[in-house]
Amino acid sequence: GENVEQHPSTLSVQEGDSAVIKCTYSDSASNYFPWYKQELGKGPQLIIDIRSNVGEKKDQRIAVTLNKTAKHFSLHITETQPEDSAVYFCAAPQTGANNLFFGTGTRLTVIP
Amino acid sequence: EAQVTQNPRYLITVTGKKLTVTCSQNMNHEYMSWYRQDPGLGLRQIYYSMNVEVTDKGDVPEGYKVSRKEKRNFPLILESPSPNQTSLYFCASSFLTSVTGELFFGEGSRLTVL
Repeated sequence: GENVEQHPSTLSVQEGDSAVIKCTYSDSASNYFPWYKQELGKGPQLIIDIRSNVGEKKDQRIAVTLNKTAKHFSLHITETQPEDSAVYFCAAPQTGANNLFFGTGTRLTVIP
Repeated sequence: EAQVTQNPRYLITVTGKKLTVTCSQNMNHEYMSWYRQDPGLGLRQIYYSMNVEVTDKGDVPEGYKVSRKEKRNFPLILESPSPNQTSLYFCASSFLTSVTGELFFGEGSRLTVL
């Protein structure tokens, strides 16, 4: 099955700085890569996703890049704000099944 | 308001006492799924359902059962809970009959098995 690894597990940045979280996956046929944000006491919420036919996608301060050759994808948050503090999860599907495999999460802390 | 509702939100029980965590969605979604979240392990899929009466195992199905008799409901059943099932559980649903679309998560059910 798919194996998704996520790094780092914790990340602290100063407000206004950028944050980058990286994930690798094992199934070369995977074609969909979402990122979820989980705030304290809540369920995860989709913030951005990318499909395998593009290399980058942006939405305001958030961007995701995909390198299919190297089988890794990254979340970039620019001009971080305290409300960006949360746990972020990457994910990838298992080909031929309806399983979505999540990374182990990154706890991002933005220091005011 | 579009939402996924789980109950109970918090539960403490004892080993062997059957329990059910309910999940209901009001978005007419085809796909529903259960995950458990444990420190250092992220979210792991327990079971999923692509439609009424269609369910399949995820990554960690042992000790759990599910049913999908109605489109909106997808209960998670622990027939004989054990301490290793102490976890935070999330139900999720999606419009697509696959995982390549946005998953909408409930707010979670924290279960403690003594």
